[in-house]
Amino acid sequence: QVQLVQSGAEVKKPGASVKVSCKASGHSFASYYMHWVRQAPGQGLEWMGIINSSGGSTSYAQRFQGRVTMTRDTSTSTVYMELSNLSSDDTGVYYCARDAVGATSWFHPWGQGTLVIVSS
Amino acid sequence: ELVMTQSPATLSVSPGERATLSCRATQSVSNNLAWYQQKSGQAPRLLIYGASTRATGIPARFSGSGSGTEFTLTISSLQSEDFAVYYCQQYNDWPRTFGQGTKVEIK
Repeated sequence: QVQLVQSGAEVKKPGASVKVSCKASGHSFASYYMHWVRQAPGQGLEWMGIINSSGGSTSYAQRFQGRVTMTRDTSTSTVYMELSNLSSDDTGVYYCARDAVGATSWFHPWGQGTLVIVSS
Repeated sequence: ELVMTQSPATLSVSPGERATLSCRATQSVSNNLAWYQQKSGQAPRLLIYGASTRATGIPARFSGSGSGTEFTLTISSLQSEDFAVYYCQQYNDWPRTFGQGTKVEIK
C-alpha cells in the first residue's frame, strides 16, 4: 500500500525557513512526480509546486517563486519542501501528494500533513 | 490562471438525502477534473478522477459527471461519514487549481 509520511509540526519565527519532509513507501518512488499543497487555517487548498521523478526539475506556483525549494533523495524515498523568509501568512498545514500518473493527473495519495506555525 | 468555483459554499442535508455539488471552471479542462473529500483534521482523500471515475474503495453512492467547464459531484444517499468538505481540482493546466470547497453539513 502506497503511503506518504510527513515530518512533524514546526514552530518558526518570522524570517526563518522551514524544511518539511515526506517519505514514501509501498511504491516505486523514483517513478513518480510529487506535489506540495498548502492549506491556511480554515481555508482551502493551494498548490505550491511539483518536483519530477528524478529531482532534476521543479515547477513552482508564481506566488512561491523565489521562496520555495523542492528536492528529493531517491536513496531514502524522501521529498523535501523548504520555504524561506516565513511570515505569519505562511502558517498552515503543508501536504505532499503523489501525482498518480506522471505529472498529468490527480493527486493520490496524500501525506498526513505537517502543521507549520509562524509566530514571533 | 484557471479559476475553479464551487457552489454552494455550504450544503445542509439530512442523512439519507441526495447531495449535489457543483464545480465550474473559467475555461475548459476537458475531463481532467478530480474531487476530494476532507474531514476535519485529516488530509484530503481522492474520490473521483477523470470527472467520473471513482477511486479505489470509494462507495458507489459517490458519482461524478460533467466535462469542459461544468462538473457535478452527487452523493446519492448521505451517510454520517460523508459530512465533510469537498474540493474539485483541475489537472488540465498549470498551475493546478482547486475550488474553494463545499461544506456538506447535517441538516
